[in-house]
Amino acid sequence: DTGVSQDPRHKITKRGQNVTFRCDPISEHNRLYWYRQTLGQGPEFLTYFQNEAQLEKSRLLSDRFSAERPKGSFSTLEIQRTEQGDSAMYLCASSLWENMNTEAFFGQGTRLTVV
Amino acid sequence: GQQVMQIPQYQHVQEGEDFTTYCNSSTTLSNIQWYKQRPGGHPVFLIQLVKSGEVKKQKRLTFQFGEAKKNSSLHITATQTTDVGTYFCAGRAGANNLFFGTGTRLTVIP
Repeated sequence: DTGVSQDPRHKITKRGQNVTFRCDPISEHNRLYWYRQTLGQGPEFLTYFQNEAQLEKSRLLSDRFSAERPKGSFSTLEIQRTEQGDSAMYLCASSLWENMNTEAFFGQGTRLTVV
Repeated sequence: GQQVMQIPQYQHVQEGEDFTTYCNSSTTLSNIQWYKQRPGGHPVFLIQLVKSGEVKKQKRLTFQFGEAKKNSSLHITATQTTDVGTYFCAGRAGANNLFFGTGTRLTVIP
C-alpha cells in the first residue's frame, strides 16, 4: 500500500502523559498536513510542512503540541501533558505541491482517547 | 482567521431526491476542493475548482465555484444510498494551507 500511513491507529493514554504519533506520507509528496477532527466536525488545521520546513502552525494550537518532519519524509506529532480535551482523531494528509492544483491524500488517522 | 462555513449541517433525503450543500468563505479563495468522508472513514478528494464561476460535473455530482471565489456548491442529482457520508469543502487562500468547512452530513433513506 503506497498511501498515507499513520501509526498507531488507536491510542489510549492517561491525562498528563505525553503521546507521539507518526505519519508516513506518499513518498514523492513534499507537503504534509496535520489535522484534528472531533465527532461531527470538519478537520481542524493544526500545522503543515513543505519538505522539512514547518510553514504554518494554527494560532489556536496549544504550546503542548509540536510537530517535526526532520528529513522531509515522515512526520511526528507530539502532545505533551495530554488533557481530556485532546481526545480526537488526528489526521495526516500529504500532497504534491507543484502548483496550486493539488489534492490532499489522507491517512486513516490516529484516534486518541485521554482518560 | 480564515473561516469556511457550510450549510446545511445535516440533510436527510429520500433516495432519488436531489441534494445541495453550500460553502461560504470569509476570504477570497485561490481554489476550493471538495471531499467526501464516509462514516468511520477519512476524507477522500472529489474535485478542485480554480476559476471564478467554474462548473465541473462528475456523473450525478455538479460542483460550482462562485464568481467572487468566496462560495461554492455541490449538487447531487437523484441521490443513491452510496452517496451517504459527510461532504466537506476545503478552501485555500494563496499558497497557504487548506481550511476545511464544517461539513454537511447526508443521509439517504431507501
